[in-house]
Amino acid sequence: DGGITQSPKYLFRKEGQNVTLSCEQNLNHDAMYWYRQDPGQGLRLIYYSHIVNDFQKGDIAEGYSVSREKKESFPLTVTSAQKNPTAFYLCASSVTGRGNTEAFFGQGTRLTVV
Amino acid sequence: GESVGLHLPTLSVQEGDNSIINCAYSNSASDYFIWYKQESGKGPQFIIDIRSNMDKRQGQRVTVLLNKTVKHLSLQIAATQPGDSAVYFCAEVPYGNKLVFGAGTILRVKS
Repeated sequence: DGGITQSPKYLFRKEGQNVTLSCEQNLNHDAMYWYRQDPGQGLRLIYYSHIVNDFQKGDIAEGYSVSREKKESFPLTVTSAQKNPTAFYLCASSVTGRGNTEAFFGQGTRLTVV
Repeated sequence: GESVGLHLPTLSVQEGDNSIINCAYSNSASDYFIWYKQESGKGPQFIIDIRSNMDKRQGQRVTVLLNKTVKHLSLQIAATQPGDSAVYFCAEVPYGNKLVFGAGTILRVKS
């Protein structure tokens, strides 16, 4: 089945720890995105990548880092510098970064700081 | 702008009635628009899209209307069902750029 897979579904982190969220797609999409969603709110863009080995900051990149070493993978690291990391994280991909096609979303990772 | 600190508006409709969800977009250069549905605890799912050279597009039980003059997008759901209860997001795409999501609307269907 083609699709976009996020893992794990639930993640718990101690304060001060870095944690990495996985996002893999087998849709052969060039563009990938990470969004953060807080309860009762919309999606905010963290980072995006339109091509392998290149990525750009979104609206709320502080405290996060990404890499795009392979076309199918776009992991997000939530660092200890992110002061309020508890949220629902969504990864998406689209055919191109030109934005003229829909984005497909994973099922999300719920991160909780304990 | 961002939706930080804002809580989503809620639309409550009776089962069987039609629903209309509205969205105001910000960029007059946007040439592609998408509606997504997000159920609790899941990722958004594509519902329907429309390009700026159209003002109406119909799908199964859904219709999207685009008014470029006032930068307004709407999603109409016919004969709303309990399974339609979700958060609905519009997204706009300025030409050559990335998706920009609206704040979203909660749809509650009363049986």
